Amino acid sequence: DIQMTQSPSTLSASVGDRVTITCRASQSISSWLAWYQQKPGKAPKLLIYKASSLESGVPSRFRGSGSGTEFTLTISSLQPDDFATYFCQHYNTYPWTFGQGTKVEIK
Amino acid sequence: QVQLVESGGGVVQPGRSLRLSCAASGFTFSRYAMHWVRQAPGKGLEWVAVISDDGRNKDYADSVKGRFTISRDNPKNTLNLHMYSLGAEDTAVYYCASTYDFWNGYYVDWGQGTLVTVSS
Repeated sequence: DIQMTQSPSTLSASVGDRVTITCRASQSISSWLAWYQQKPGKAPKLLIYKASSLESGVPSRFRGSGSGTEFTLTISSLQPDDFATYFCQHYNTYPWTFGQGTKVEIK
Repeated sequence: QVQLVESGGGVVQPGRSLRLSCAASGFTFSRYAMHWVRQAPGKGLEWVAVISDDGRNKDYADSVKGRFTISRDNPKNTLNLHMYSLGAEDTAVYYCASTYDFWNGYYVDWGQGTLVTVSS
């Protein structure tokens, strides 16, 4: 199985900060990676697919990059609505697996 | 708009069975692969099972293989998950989610989830 490792697990930041979350795959997954945002008690919401494609309706401050085994999600200017937990997920081969999550907290 | 509504969760004793359902609307259900993804309380996300758009192909996480069965009824726009021999490790919120393709895809839409608690 392909393991997905996110860092950091928790991130404290202020409104307006630039935030970067990293996701590493245990083997190459090409660009078959998605990012999701999840708020407490809610289902995840798709932000990015194919490593860098922005889902329709998602603000342009969210940017995904990377390929192979190293990926990043960058929020260019953190907004109050962005405080949430973020997960990466590969869809290269089954089983599709998720990173353990990165919680973005208010500093 | 797209709606996925899960049902069937609840408290069940260890070793017993439970069936979850997911009612789909607002899109052409028969054109999408469907998945179950679960999340244990306070934990991350775990893919559980997938079924192709026509129901012919299925796959399961090792943790549920042989205990869970995924199925779908396209005319009724319904996805099911039959869960047998439940254990405490199966306690989680179960989400149904859709992807464009069986072999390669990302979760476009999700349901709100249904909580399964395995406890005596």
